[in-house]
Amino acid sequence: GAGVSQSPRYKVAKRGQDVALRCDPISGHVSLFWYQQALGQGPEFLTYFQNEAQLDKSGLPSDRFFAERPEGSVSTLKIQRTQQEDSAVYLCASSFQGGGYNEQFFGPGTRLTVL
Amino acid sequence: GNSVTQMEGPVTLSEEAFLTINCTYTATGYPSLFWYVQYPGEGLQLLLKATKADDKGSNKGFEATYRKETTSFHLEKGSVQVSDSAVYFCALTGSGGSNYKLTFGKGTLLTVNP
Repeated sequence: GAGVSQSPRYKVAKRGQDVALRCDPISGHVSLFWYQQALGQGPEFLTYFQNEAQLDKSGLPSDRFFAERPEGSVSTLKIQRTQQEDSAVYLCASSFQGGGYNEQFFGPGTRLTVL
Repeated sequence: GNSVTQMEGPVTLSEEAFLTINCTYTATGYPSLFWYVQYPGEGLQLLLKATKADDKGSNKGFEATYRKETTSFHLEKGSVQVSDSAVYFCALTGSGGSNYKLTFGKGTLLTVNP
């Protein structure tokens, strides 16, 4: 019964580099979410998958951000040409179903620092 | 759009003190309301939830009541422990088509001293 795992836990990138952040959801969870948490703030929604389908990407801050979940399990959040304002903790969550009353289980996050 | 406003911290209490962390929300329809907790070095965990007006969520001695008339969901605990030291986030999911999307407050850091 492992929880949601994320890797790497910490990532330092130079401005302009591309990064890829990985999320392994709880086995059998249909729904997967990415959130961005800036320092001293609450998490903010980025995108939502149901199985392999990306149903909502309205929270992605720019076209440099791209997420995928090709086989309906592991997901990758990719940020191209990183900027300093991308520095944040990126949280992944999964739930058995996507309804609003279903608990979302969060991973420990990846702390991205862009120099 | 939906929003959550919660009491800004940090909050520092002595062990066995009474805790209240205020949370109010703005949302259309009938949102579901949540309190999440983040212990040092750990991920966010659901503490309690309420899905309709007048529901009371409770867990680990914490409780919060969904008050639609005041659009509030204040977190309370009668006697805090050192182990309750953490960051607490109030959150909601809206009703309607995007009801999967959690909207969080900024978080309140609670420190409980022995």
